[in-house]
Amino acid sequence: DAGVIQSPRHEVTEMGQEVTLRCKPISGHNSLFWYRQTMMRGLELLIYFNNNVPIDDSGMPEDRFSAKMPNASFSTLKIQPSEPRDSAVYFCASGPDYNEQFFGPGTRLTVL
Amino acid sequence: AQSVTQPDIHITVSEGASLELRCNYSYGATPYLFWYVQSPGQGLQLLLKYFSGDTLVQGIKGFEAEFKRSQSSFNLRKPSVHWSDAAEYFCAVGAQGNKLVFGAGTILRVKS
Repeated sequence: DAGVIQSPRHEVTEMGQEVTLRCKPISGHNSLFWYRQTMMRGLELLIYFNNNVPIDDSGMPEDRFSAKMPNASFSTLKIQPSEPRDSAVYFCASGPDYNEQFFGPGTRLTVL
Repeated sequence: AQSVTQPDIHITVSEGASLELRCNYSYGATPYLFWYVQSPGQGLQLLLKYFSGDTLVQGIKGFEAEFKRSQSSFNLRKPSVHWSDAAEYFCAVGAQGNKLVFGAGTILRVKS
């Protein structure tokens, strides 16, 4: 089992550019979560999907953020346009049931 | 609403000493409880979980946790800490829709 796969692992971009983060969940898991982690705010849930359907996106900070899950094996988190305050580590997690979640290694995003 | 409190932001223990990290939760029903560990630059790794049954649960890396309903606690313990245990530890409670509510985390430092 390869675990949750995220790409890229590191992303450096300039303010105003579009950023796309990618996630491949563990096969067979029906829930997928996107988190953001910063020193100031800790770990924040941005959005989660169940069976590829967005269930709760109340944590998405602004309209600049969007997430999709076109199929059970792939999800994206897009920021357009990016701003320096979006700099953070973004984690994807997937889970089979009963709230159990398995985290990916994260994408460290730096917006200059 | 569910919430998790980790009262200690930082804890320092000597290598070989015992460890207890505190976690208190607020939840109306029988909770699903988790402990995760995050090493620097890494994602969160599941240490152990409690769903039901025996209130003392064993996890990976020699960790254990005890669920105490009367105290709304789920403290993490290890009898002898190793330098490699230095990391940040997160307690979490399961919420509706397979979400997790995380505590703010406790940073463990191990001194030799």
